[in-house]
Amino acid sequence: QQQVKQSPQSLIVQKGGISIINCAYENTAFDYFPWYQQFPGKGPALLIAIRPAVSEKKEGRFTISFNKSAKQFSLHIMDSQPGDSATYFCAAKMTDLELIFGTGTRLQVFP
Amino acid sequence: ETGVTQSPTHLIKTRGQQVTLRCSSQSGHNTVSWYQQALGQGPQFIFQYYREEENGRGNFPPRFSGLQFPNYSSELNVNALELDDSALYLCASSLQGTSGGARFFGPGTRLTVL
Repeated sequence: QQQVKQSPQSLIVQKGGISIINCAYENTAFDYFPWYQQFPGKGPALLIAIRPAVSEKKEGRFTISFNKSAKQFSLHIMDSQPGDSATYFCAAKMTDLELIFGTGTRLQVFP
Repeated sequence: ETGVTQSPTHLIKTRGQQVTLRCSSQSGHNTVSWYQQALGQGPQFIFQYYREEENGRGNFPPRFSGLQFPNYSSELNVNALELDDSALYLCASSLQGTSGGARFFGPGTRLTVL
């Protein structure tokens, strides 16, 4: 019940395309859903986050869509760029408790 | 405002040895969490410190221990190192009780156990 399932494991997108990464969870007590971006040899960097009270949050080219009834959330990267090539992790958390991470999606954006 | 810093960057140890990793929190943050990230995997929660006390622990054995100091910096100690302890160790800081409780990660320490 503490798992967060992430797909796909890897994703190849052409420059300018839309990258979509999906996550699903079971525990309805989760109340905070962040996405992290990680480059090789670096720590994860907080990209965007959402709470269950809203169904969508947009920051620049990055959008989280949240479906509370389906217990799913997704990251959309619009106009994908080669600089977006990285590993993306979804995560979930209950108040003041630890982050539970997905298994990661390796995104490659080709020019 | 300084971000989360960790030292050392890389470390090589042999099986059975002990290791201490260090972390300085982001300015203004009072909570430190440690995560272990094996190659190709997502980070796994080790434990969290708030007000110098452990207030949450993941599925890690007691040979993983920690400290938090009055200035909110922290140490992770691992005794009796095993080969499977080879991983990237990440420190994350946050402000307890704030809405969202966003965790901000440091660059990590790459530990190799031979």
